[in-house]
Amino acid sequence: NAGVTQTPKFQVLKTGQSMTLQCAQDMNHEYMSWYRQDPGMGLRLIHYSVGAGITDQGEVPNGYNVSRSTTEDFPLRLLSAAPSQTSVYFCASISGDGSYEQYFGPGTRLTVT
Amino acid sequence: GDSVTQMEGPVTLSEEAFLTINCTYTATGYPSLFWYVQYPGEGLQLLLKATKADDKGSNKGFEATYRKETTSFHLEKGSVQVSDSAVYFCALSDRETTDSWGKFQFGAGTQVVVTP
Repeated sequence: NAGVTQTPKFQVLKTGQSMTLQCAQDMNHEYMSWYRQDPGMGLRLIHYSVGAGITDQGEVPNGYNVSRSTTEDFPLRLLSAAPSQTSVYFCASISGDGSYEQYFGPGTRLTVT
Repeated sequence: GDSVTQMEGPVTLSEEAFLTINCTYTATGYPSLFWYVQYPGEGLQLLLKATKADDKGSNKGFEATYRKETTSFHLEKGSVQVSDSAVYFCALSDRETTDSWGKFQFGAGTQVVVTP
């Protein structure tokens, strides 16, 4: 049971480039989400999904796209990277068994130059 | 909207000292409250939680009590160790509202440094 996995761990992009951050979980959780972590700001919700085929915007969705074709995978796409998107990105899933426990991946550190 | 405010860090302590990290919240509903811990280079891990007023969450010697009258959820540990050095996040989620289910509001995080 790997939990929540994310790839890559580190990435450097030039302004304007696009890329996809991968996230997968093997716990059969319906709810998954993407956060960004910036110094002094805690975690802010980018997008979330309540199940395959269903996604919605969080607090800071601009510049990001998501899709959820399977329960396991929830990729985050940066359409045209900007320096303001330099951050650490975390994917998470929430157990639906009543415990409401949120499991986080190890994060992707992204730098946009 | 819902929000969480926690004390700024860094908090620097000696080993075996008492730790308190203050957390207050605003919420329109009846949120569940959480403390998460983040060790260097890792993702967040759930430390403890409380789902209703007067509940006390506890884990690994840490405790926090859900105080509805003061809208607080302060984290405490009686005797810290060097291994407790980490960033601690207070968070809330309003499970009562369908639209909010699964949406967490996080505080800014408090770095704790414990020295030998």
